[in-house]
Amino acid sequence: DAGITQSPRYKITETGRQVTLMCHQTWSHSYMFWYRQDLGHGLRLIYYSAAADITDKGEVPDGYVVSRSKTENFPLTLESATRSQTSVYFCASTQTSGRYTDTQYFGPGTRLTVL
Amino acid sequence: DAKTTQPPSMDCAEGRAANLPCNHSTISGNEYVYWYRQIHSQGPQYIIHGLKNNETNEMASLIITEDRKSSTLILPHATLRDTAVYYCIVRVFSNSGYALNFGKGTSLLVTP
Repeated sequence: DAGITQSPRYKITETGRQVTLMCHQTWSHSYMFWYRQDLGHGLRLIYYSAAADITDKGEVPDGYVVSRSKTENFPLTLESATRSQTSVYFCASTQTSGRYTDTQYFGPGTRLTVL
Repeated sequence: DAKTTQPPSMDCAEGRAANLPCNHSTISGNEYVYWYRQIHSQGPQYIIHGLKNNETNEMASLIITEDRKSSTLILPHATLRDTAVYYCIVRVFSNSGYALNFGKGTSLLVTP
């Protein structure tokens, strides 16, 4: 049971480059989320998706693009990376039935550094 | 979602019970109390949730006061691996996948 995975785990890039962070879950959860966590802070929602081809903005969406062509994948793209996007990025998914509906399961995170 | 207040840090000796408080005085009748934790550099992990009755699972117990304005997460026999930041989150139970509003949580240090 692989659960939810993220790749790469670590990424260093330069300002202005495009970067895509991958998220894959094996549970067929409908909802998926992208959060960022800056040093010493809590998590902030970037984008979320209710199902394939349905996405919506969260609290801090500027500079990010998402897509969801398949239920199990939810890639996050930084179209032109900036230093302020240096952060740890977490992907999460939620099941939508049963007692533990609304429990979010998180991936291990991707640590992104923009030089 | 109701706002929560947690102490920024706590210590606990290994093997003892860790009692983590959370105040949520503005909680409404249909809001649940959720607890997550984040061990250093890892993704947050669900612990437990409840509405008004006390709850227990293999990880922890959740005690919610009768007026629901506060709650306590209890780790009955804390181990070094329980050192983490613990987040108390209050929100409506939903099958539509609302995002979680993580505050700053309580940093729990379990010492030998």
